[in-house]
Amino acid sequence: DTAVSQTPKYLVTQMGNDKSIKCEQNLGHDTMYWYKQDSKKFLKIMFSYNNKELIINETVPNRFSPKSPDKAHLNLHINSLELGDSAVYFCASSRSGGPLNTEAFFGQGTRLTVV
Amino acid sequence: GENVEQHPSTLSVQEGDSAVIKCTYSDSASNYFPWYKQELGKRPQLIIDIRSNVGEKKDQRIAVTLNKTAKHFSLHITETQPEDSAVYFCAASTNSGGYQKVTFGTGTKLQVIP
Repeated sequence: DTAVSQTPKYLVTQMGNDKSIKCEQNLGHDTMYWYKQDSKKFLKIMFSYNNKELIINETVPNRFSPKSPDKAHLNLHINSLELGDSAVYFCASSRSGGPLNTEAFFGQGTRLTVV
Repeated sequence: GENVEQHPSTLSVQEGDSAVIKCTYSDSASNYFPWYKQELGKRPQLIIDIRSNVGEKKDQRIAVTLNKTAKHFSLHITETQPEDSAVYFCAASTNSGGYQKVTFGTGTKLQVIP
C-alpha cells in the first residue's frame, strides 16, 4: 500500500496555464505539507496543513493555492504558471506536533515542467 | 525562525571509507532531528533520527550525534558502499503553536567511488 501518493508524476504545460497536483495519505496523519525542490535539490516548505487548517504559508506567491478537503488530502492548484515554477513538488505527511515530533513521509514527487 | 545549515554540499569518498555530514541549527527549541536519503529520481526517505534527549544513535553502518549545547548534529556513514550514493538531508523539527515545523538543510550529494 502506498502511504503518500500524489498525481500526476510528470506534468508538462505551457506558461499561463492553470494546473493541479493531488495528494492523498492513508497513514492517518494529521499534518500534511507541500515542498518544492528546485534544480539545486533544495527542499523548501511551501505549505503545512493540520487537520485541514493552514498552519504554514512560507511566502509563496498567491498563484499557489492549497486545498485540503479532509485531513487525508492536500491538493495544490497553481494559476498562471511561470517558467520559474518548474521544479519537483513533493507532498508529505507526519503525525501532529506535541511533545513527540515524527518523521515525514513523502510522496513520489511531481516533476512540473513549464514551457 | 529555524535556520539549518548543512556541510559539505558535495562529498566524494572511496568505497569502504567513512563519510561525515554536519549540520547546525539555530532554534534551541528544536527537539527532533531526522536524516533523509534521496536517491536519484526518488523521494526523500528517513534513514535515521535522533531526539534532543539523546546524544548518539547508531543503526548498523549509520550513526548520528547531537550536541545540543553547540546546536550541531552529524551523520556518520562507515564502510561506504556504492549504493550509499545519494543526496542526504538533515532536518530540525520544532513545535510551532502545537504543530510540527520541519526545516531542512540544503543537502549533501554523496558519491561513493567503487
